[in-house]
Amino acid sequence: AQTVTQSQPEMSVQEAETVTLSCTYDTSESDYYLFWYKQPPSRQMILVIRQEAYKQQNATENRFSVNFQKAAKSFSLKISDSQLGDAAMYFCAYRLYGGTYKYIFGTGTRLKVLA
Amino acid sequence: DADVTQTPRNRITKTGKRIMLECSQTKGHDRMYWYRQDPGLGLRLIYYSFDVKDINKGEISDGYSVSRQAQAKFSLSLESAIPNQTALYFCATSAGRTGQHNEQFFGPGTRLTVL
Repeated sequence: AQTVTQSQPEMSVQEAETVTLSCTYDTSESDYYLFWYKQPPSRQMILVIRQEAYKQQNATENRFSVNFQKAAKSFSLKISDSQLGDAAMYFCAYRLYGGTYKYIFGTGTRLKVLA
Repeated sequence: DADVTQTPRNRITKTGKRIMLECSQTKGHDRMYWYRQDPGLGLRLIYYSFDVKDINKGEISDGYSVSRQAQAKFSLSLESAIPNQTALYFCATSAGRTGQHNEQFFGPGTRLTVL
C-alpha cells in the first residue's frame, strides 16, 4: 500500500529566508502524481504545486519549487523569500495515475514565519 | 461563488444524534470524496464516489454513511454521533483522466463537535 510521510511536524523560518519541507512516499508504481497543499488558518485547502512522476524537471510556481527525487521517493517543497502569508499547514499528497483515483495525504507540517 | 460548498460550516451536537453534512459542487466533476482531518493525523479518506451509482469505502468508514443524490451532491451522515467523531470534515472533487491537472478541489470544511 502507498504511504506518504512528513517527518517534520513543525518548522520555522525567518521572513525573507528559504525553507524546505520534506516528504517521502512509498509506492511500487511508476506513474503517479504528487502534490503540495497549503492550509492557512482559514482552513481552506489550497493547491500549491503539482508534479507528474514521468517528468524529470522539477515543478516551479513563483516562490515555490520542488525537489523531486523519484529513485529516493522524495518530494520536498522549497519556499523562497518566505512571507508572513506563507504561515500554514502544508500537506504532501500522492495519487496513482489512473486506477482508483484515491489520494493519500501525509500528516502535515506546520510552518511558522517569524517577522 | 465557491466551486465546492459545504453546509454547515460549524456544528455542535450531542452524542447519539444523527448528523448530515452536505456537499455541493459546480465544477462538473464526477469524483467526490469525504475526508476527516485530525491533528497529527492529516486527512483520512472516509468515502469516495466516482459517479451516482459508484460509492466506495475509504480507510475509516465505520460509523459513517454517504449518499450521492446527484453528480453535484454528496452527503455524509453520522447515524449516531460519538465524541471521537469530533473533527474537521472536508468534501473534495476531482475530474477524470481528461480533467484539470488531476488535483483535488476542496470545500471550506465543516468543524463538527460531538459533546
